[in-house]
Amino acid sequence: EDQVTQSPEALRLQEGESSSLNCSYTVSGLRGLFWYRQDPGKGPEFLFTLYSAGEEKEKERLKATLTKKESFLHITAPKPEDSATYLCAVRDYKLSFGAGTTVTVRA
Amino acid sequence: DAGITQSPRYKITETGRQVTLMCHQTWSHSYMFWYRQDLGHGLRLIYYSAAADITDKGEVPDGYVVSRSKTENFPLTLESATRSQTSVYFCASSVMDRGRETQYFGPGTRLLVL
Repeated sequence: EDQVTQSPEALRLQEGESSSLNCSYTVSGLRGLFWYRQDPGKGPEFLFTLYSAGEEKEKERLKATLTKKESFLHITAPKPEDSATYLCAVRDYKLSFGAGTTVTVRA
Repeated sequence: DAGITQSPRYKITETGRQVTLMCHQTWSHSYMFWYRQDLGHGLRLIYYSAAADITDKGEVPDGYVVSRSKTENFPLTLESATRSQTSVYFCASSVMDRGRETQYFGPGTRLLVL
């Protein structure tokens, strides 16, 4: 059975304090790893899709990387508006989601 | 506005009643999905559809029915609501863009079953 584990569950950061979120997975045949941002009361917002080990994708202060067993979402010099829950999902024939990491950035 | 709309946004119903959650996309994405999101479980796939008139079960399909007569609409019906179906329901669609899959989510329907 596919498993997606995100850590930590919650992360409190000071503005400008860079950090990383982890997504470890076990899947029989990876057909994509996805990162989403979810704000309270809203639907997930697509951030990145990664397909192969070594791949990296960037968007503003966010950078996602992929290895054969895990992915990292690096947040560089975060701002309060980066506060959200970040979800990771992996696809073989279906999309399986992790429970998310809730990031709080204090000014 | 382009995107995915869901209605109603909030719904309170009673055990045993039939409830239909609506989902509409303004694109023509082939794939559409229904998820439920619960504390401690994350997002779980209920049903998905690869095209009009093609649907298939996801991880937690029991108690739900879907249809897709038109590409843009993908309603989800709870045939006889139970308290365990209290949840936030998200509709999504996906598209391949330059070889990369992108999945778009609606704003969600918050359902309370009393």
